Amino acid sequence: GAGVSQSPRYKVAKRGQDVALRCDPISGHVSLFWYQQALGQGPEFLTYFQNEAQLDKSGLPSDRFFAERPEGSVSTLKIQRTQQEDSAVYLCASTQAGTDYYGYTFGSGTRLTVV
Amino acid sequence: AQSVSQHNHHVILSEAASLELGCNYSYGGTVNLFWYVQYPGQHLQLLLKYFSGDPLVKGIKGFEAEFIKSKFSFNLRKPSVQWSDTAEYFCAVNLSGGSQGNLIFGKGTKLSVKP
Repeated sequence: GAGVSQSPRYKVAKRGQDVALRCDPISGHVSLFWYQQALGQGPEFLTYFQNEAQLDKSGLPSDRFFAERPEGSVSTLKIQRTQQEDSAVYLCASTQAGTDYYGYTFGSGTRLTVV
Repeated sequence: AQSVSQHNHHVILSEAASLELGCNYSYGGTVNLFWYVQYPGQHLQLLLKYFSGDPLVKGIKGFEAEFIKSKFSFNLRKPSVQWSDTAEYFCAVNLSGGSQGNLIFGKGTKLSVKP
């Protein structure tokens, strides 16, 4: 597609509920990143894939967070047993390059509200 | 740990005023530097980037930024702002030559331009 697509755009979850957030990167983009943006903050790195390999998950805040990209294209970020502090916008970005950087294309994000 | 500081949380200007948004980073090695913009209701977009070469970088929409290595700074400038520049601006850094490309973002500066 023309851009990075994320779904759903908005998600309201009850505390303790599991959620799955989807990212469709630009076709052919090798690298895919997930970021978390809390209100009033800049995006913070969560995890990074190169094709289907998850090369860095150091930013995942807890073991309740899990991400996958099984076929090297679509990625899913799963949050188990959601907590209020998980409320944020979750951004996905993809880039054409593998190990170098030419500029991300960001999706519009999924706004998660945990009530 | 590497960090990015944006000194101004909210800047309010009148149209035609000049703009300078500060950005400092903490990292002693070689870095790539970026400014992203997020217009209301839209996704993050790359404004400009610096990898190497001329430290004065020109981006889209008349924006420019100057990399001053001795000051660890990458300030964003525009000689004359327009109402349509109202947005949030994020400075970001990644480590040049690293095996991963995750960005470290500042907290952002909200720019409001009065017509």
